[in-house]
Amino acid sequence: ETGVTQSPTHLIKTRGQQVTLRCSSQSGHNTVSWYQQALGQGPQFIFQYYREEENGRGNFPPRFSGLQFPNYSSELNVNALELDDSALYLCASSPGQGSLNSPLHFGNGTRLTVT
Amino acid sequence: AQSVTQLDSHVSVSEGTPVLLRCNYSSSYSPSLFWYVQHPNKGLQLLLKYTSAATLVKGINGFEAEFKKSETSFHLTKPSAHMSDAAEYFCVVSDRSSNTGKLIFGQGTTLQVKP
Repeated sequence: ETGVTQSPTHLIKTRGQQVTLRCSSQSGHNTVSWYQQALGQGPQFIFQYYREEENGRGNFPPRFSGLQFPNYSSELNVNALELDDSALYLCASSPGQGSLNSPLHFGNGTRLTVT
Repeated sequence: AQSVTQLDSHVSVSEGTPVLLRCNYSSSYSPSLFWYVQHPNKGLQLLLKYTSAATLVKGINGFEAEFKKSETSFHLTKPSAHMSDAAEYFCVVSDRSSNTGKLIFGQGTTLQVKP
């Protein structure tokens, strides 16, 4: 069983640029959630995708957007990067929309540094 | 609104001694609570979850947590710490006000295990 994989593992971008992060969900999982973890903080929910549709969003501006593909893999796009966007971005997949019987499986994250 | 508060940002124990990581929760619903662990440069791993079936929850690697409604607490314990337990621990509540099952994380507790 292949787990959740994220790419790239590390990324350095300049303020104002755009970035795309990628996530392959665990086999059999149709739901992907994205979290942002700033240094020294707990992860914060960005949004969730279920069957290729956005299914809920946290308190993040519209320049954070995403996609889910028919194979349930997902992308997180961030436009007009700001210094505060520097963080570890975690992707998590689950076999359902988030019931207690659908625990989240997390990838190892992408470390984004904005300079 | 739901939230969790981890009462200690850093806990240091000696190998072989008990571990206690404290967490209080606030929830207007019957809460779903979790503990996750994050090793350096790794994603999040589920240690255990409370789903209202039993107040004492056993997890992986010898960890357990007790749900105490009267104290609104969900403290994580382990009888004997191992060097490999050194990591960041997050107390988490599931947001039942949405259909995403999004997770709300505490700020984290760093567990240091001394030889």
